[in-house]
Amino acid sequence: DVKVTQSSRYLVKRTGEKVFLECVQDMDHENMFWYRQDPGLGLRLIYFSYDVKMKEKGDIPEGYSVSREKKERFSLILESASTNQTSMYLCASSFWGDAAEAFFGQGTRLTVV
Amino acid sequence: GNSVTQMEGPVTLSEEAFLTINCTYTATGYPSLFWYVQYPGEGLQLLLKATKADDKGSNKGFEATYRKETTSFHLEKGSVQVSDSAVYFCALRPLAGNTGKLIFGQGTTLQVKP
Repeated sequence: DVKVTQSSRYLVKRTGEKVFLECVQDMDHENMFWYRQDPGLGLRLIYFSYDVKMKEKGDIPEGYSVSREKKERFSLILESASTNQTSMYLCASSFWGDAAEAFFGQGTRLTVV
Repeated sequence: GNSVTQMEGPVTLSEEAFLTINCTYTATGYPSLFWYVQYPGEGLQLLLKATKADDKGSNKGFEATYRKETTSFHLEKGSVQVSDSAVYFCALRPLAGNTGKLIFGQGTTLQVKP
């Protein structure tokens, strides 16, 4: 079975902290994605990566950065956490190709206080 | 730009009722279209997909047909069960540039009552 594993299910961080969310996939997928999920807004793409060290901004990259040093791992970094970044964060991965299915992790519920 | 619009929820149905969840899209060219489902406490999983006009995707009794003329991909099921209660997301992957991006709608919550 394909597995996309996010390092934490729940996180509580303080305003101003630097926060790292980690995601690992075991299927040798080229593409990896970070989304945030908010009620009424669906999934919004923060960043995605199509190869090691390659990244592209999504629709809401402000306040976030990413790192992909190895093919299987994609990290989302909140440089200085703020309360409006309290959300559910979902990582996904897929092969390259227009019909390729994306596989999702279980999500990290981040609360910034 | 590329976007997906779904009908607002929640949708509440009785068991064995007919389900339709509307999805329309805006995209350059001919995108691939997907329905994903998110059960409570879980991540999203693919329900079905279609990659060209008039294709019908189907899985677990759910169906959706890629309609280019109406830019729609409505999800249907003839007889829903309580276990179908979940959030359903329509998504597209644009072909123009084919960067691999997946663009999602806002999700529709389905509640099925016994």
